[in-house]
Amino acid sequence: SQQGEEDPQALSIQEGENATMNCSYKTSINNLQWYRQNSGRGLVHLILIRSNEREKHSGRLRVTLDTSKKSSSLLITASRAADTASYFCAMLISSGSARQLTFGSGTQLTVLP
Amino acid sequence: GAGVSQTPSNKVTEKGKYVELRCDPISGHTALYWYRQSLGQGPEFLIYFQGTGAADDSGLPNDRFFAVRPEGSVSTLKIQRTERGDSAVYLCASSLTSAGRDNEQFFGPGTRLTVL
Repeated sequence: SQQGEEDPQALSIQEGENATMNCSYKTSINNLQWYRQNSGRGLVHLILIRSNEREKHSGRLRVTLDTSKKSSSLLITASRAADTASYFCAMLISSGSARQLTFGSGTQLTVLP
Repeated sequence: GAGVSQTPSNKVTEKGKYVELRCDPISGHTALYWYRQSLGQGPEFLIYFQGTGAADDSGLPNDRFFAVRPEGSVSTLKIQRTERGDSAVYLCASSLTSAGRDNEQFFGPGTRLTVL
């Protein structure tokens, strides 16, 4: 079962606009990671934010984390058509010896040229 | 450098058949993970190895699924008596070690399994 929920499920914007995706989770985490997936195949790691961090930037990406609300957001600024993909948040939970990632349900982003 | 590779990229089989899916992790990565992704869903954990041993197989859905990593590098996911519900993309990932603080995982392109 999915331990993370993302919204919106789908997002369609014009090139140049900003895209914001949100992720909520249920358990305590060590870190939260965002991945991108094209055409239902391999996942590309975008950015990782640790549980003691509140905000992180990488190029056009900005990630925030609010552990009190168990939520994170991914902002893509100045979007491009090539950003069209599915985006997933993934949590490294801090329960026992578990080291696997727990993924959210994903947001399908479409950037229109 | 070479990333995680998976073979075959696509596998079509008939209900009841046996299949093997292979994963080659990044060289030097001691941890290897298998996930399964159904259409429109996020990946779900199946099993992970630290070295040669399965450290956590709690995600395997039933005893038809089995995975090995005999030499601590390549891993094979084995599915017996396949069912139509097994159809999904099977993703493999590796990380330098599962004990690392961040445990950043690098994913392969996946194997799309279709059971007719």
